[in-house]
Amino acid sequence: GNSVTQMEGPVTLSEEAFLTINCTYTATGYPSLFWYVQYPGEGLQLLLKATKADDKGSNKGFEATYRKETTSFHLEKGSVQVSDSAVYFCALSSNSGYALNFGKGTSLLVTP
Amino acid sequence: GAGVSQSPSNKVTEKGKDVELRCDPISGHTALYWYRQSLGQGLEFLIYFQGNSAPDKSGLPSDRFSAERTGGSVSTLTIQRTQQEDSAVYLCASSSTSGSDNEQFFGPGTRLTVL
Repeated sequence: GNSVTQMEGPVTLSEEAFLTINCTYTATGYPSLFWYVQYPGEGLQLLLKATKADDKGSNKGFEATYRKETTSFHLEKGSVQVSDSAVYFCALSSNSGYALNFGKGTSLLVTP
Repeated sequence: GAGVSQSPSNKVTEKGKDVELRCDPISGHTALYWYRQSLGQGLEFLIYFQGNSAPDKSGLPSDRFSAERTGGSVSTLTIQRTQQEDSAVYLCASSSTSGSDNEQFFGPGTRLTVL
């Protein structure tokens, strides 16, 4: 079946540091890939997505590239801010097109 | 416009009682999803509705769980004879379509605590 594995947190970084959160997946066919973010006290929000191989999703300075050869969708940001502190979830949507399979989430804390 | 809303935001119940959780999706969204977020299991898919029909109930953990959707809008998730392991945050999401690249918009969740 489909599954998503992402690095465990918590990840603690200083402001302006470079961020990478690893995500790999197992799926049949050609899934779409997503990063969702959950800020403290708020609901899940879509951060970015990519729907086919080699696509790059980007939003708010975050980027992730759909790598079919390595079955990965790593999240990166060149310079994190305190306001980026949140839990980040990698997810995939299979060809059947409805349920999202989520990773367990990675907690990020950015300190001033 | 209004997002996905869920009620109640918090629910504390005693083991063995039944609970109902409500979801109001974004107006016009035909697809609706229920997920469960718990410490040990992460985010798990429970059930999906397209209109009022539920083509996939495979994620429901037991026959104590059921869900319905009426008028292509509001959905209710019912848990009968609650158990302590049902304690979790129950999330509802909706999307305008059910394609594989659809964006699902999530509600704030209902935190269920079973004593």
